[in-house]
Amino acid sequence: EIILTQSPGTLSLSPGQRVTLSCKASQTVSNNYLAWYQQKPGQAPRLLIYGASTRATGVPDRFSGGGSGTDFTLTISRLEPEDFAVFYCQQYGTVPCTFGQGTKLEIK
Amino acid sequence: QVQLVESGGGVVQPGRSLRLSCAASGFSLSDYSQHWVRQAPGKGLEWVTLLSKDGRSKYYADSVEGRFSVSRDISKNTLYLEMNNLKPEDTAVYYCATQVASGYWGQGTLVTVSS
Repeated sequence: EIILTQSPGTLSLSPGQRVTLSCKASQTVSNNYLAWYQQKPGQAPRLLIYGASTRATGVPDRFSGGGSGTDFTLTISRLEPEDFAVFYCQQYGTVPCTFGQGTKLEIK
Repeated sequence: QVQLVESGGGVVQPGRSLRLSCAASGFSLSDYSQHWVRQAPGKGLEWVTLLSKDGRSKYYADSVEGRFSVSRDISKNTLYLEMNNLKPEDTAVYYCATQVASGYWGQGTLVTVSS
């Protein structure tokens, strides 16, 4: 099983700031099949990025994904008030598909 | 418009069974692989099972292997999750989702396993 470790666990930032979230895999993620999700309280997760760097339909271009192999990042270039939420990475190249434990992004 | 609607959740005693449904509209289930993902109260996301696009391959998390079974009825365009021998640690919101790159998720259905 591929274990995904996200860091940091919690981030306190202000709107307008730039942030980079990390997701490290215990083994190489096949075909860089790595996705990022945003989840707000009481809502289903929303797909942001798939294939490590491809933005999902309708996702603003301030969100970008990078990395390959075992190290991946999600960058938000300029935080908007609606961006504050919990973010999860998921690898779907190898079963069992696994999620990271999440990074909570909160308003400072 | 693409939509996934889960149903069948509720309160069930440990050891009992429950079947969840996920009705799809706006697309055919045969066009995508499907996943079930769950989230225990206040916890993170946990992948549960994957049904391949052709319906022939099924994969399960170790935590549910041998107790849960995924299936679909193409004529009803509905995905199912049969859950047997339920345990308190199966308490969660259960989401159905299509293959990752499509990004389609349902709103979830809550399963509570408690005596």
